[in-house]
Amino acid sequence: NAGVTQTPKFQVLKTGQSMTLQCAQDMNHNSMYWYRQDPGMGLRLIYYSASEGTTDKGEVPNGYNVSRLNKREFSLRLESAAPSQTSVYFCASSTTGTGIWGNTIYFGEGSWLTVV
Amino acid sequence: KQEVTQIPAALSVPEGENLVLNCSFTDSAIYNLQWFRQDPGKGLTSLLLIQSSQREQTSGRLNASLDKSSGRSTLYIAASQPGDSATYLCAVKTGANSKLTFGKGITLSVRP
Repeated sequence: NAGVTQTPKFQVLKTGQSMTLQCAQDMNHNSMYWYRQDPGMGLRLIYYSASEGTTDKGEVPNGYNVSRLNKREFSLRLESAAPSQTSVYFCASSTTGTGIWGNTIYFGEGSWLTVV
Repeated sequence: KQEVTQIPAALSVPEGENLVLNCSFTDSAIYNLQWFRQDPGKGLTSLLLIQSSQREQTSGRLNASLDKSSGRSTLYIAASQPGDSATYLCAVKTGANSKLTFGKGITLSVRP
């Protein structure tokens, strides 16, 4: 059971370059998320997708775009990378429903991105 | 706007000690609260989830409690071990379709 899988795990970009972080989940979850984690700032939501075909901005969406390709996959694109986007990026997905484990969120292992 | 606070930011205890990690939130109208563990260089692993109608959840040596009226949750770790060393984060969801708000975490070090 793979859970939430992110690629790549590490990436170094030059300022102005573009790249896409890929995320896939195999748990049949409706909702998927992209977070960034920075020292002293905690986890901040970039974009999320409540269901296939929908995406919404989170706290820090500027400089990013997302695509919910299908129910399994949710990608994050940096169109023109800036040093301020150096961070650890986490993809996550969550269950729905009101059961005891309803709305539990599961995270990927993270993608370390450095923009020089 | 919901705010989640975890104090202190770091904690060091000797092995075997029972300990309590605190989480406070400003809006008591929550949907659920989740505790996570994060090891260095890794993602977050869900430990316990407490729905708004529940008062506590237990898993092994971990017990999480929820007091909505006071805006607090605690994670109790019994008989701590060096393997418990990690960062513990709590996160609050204010509605079924709302986003999670995370605290900044408590970095726990359990000394052998």
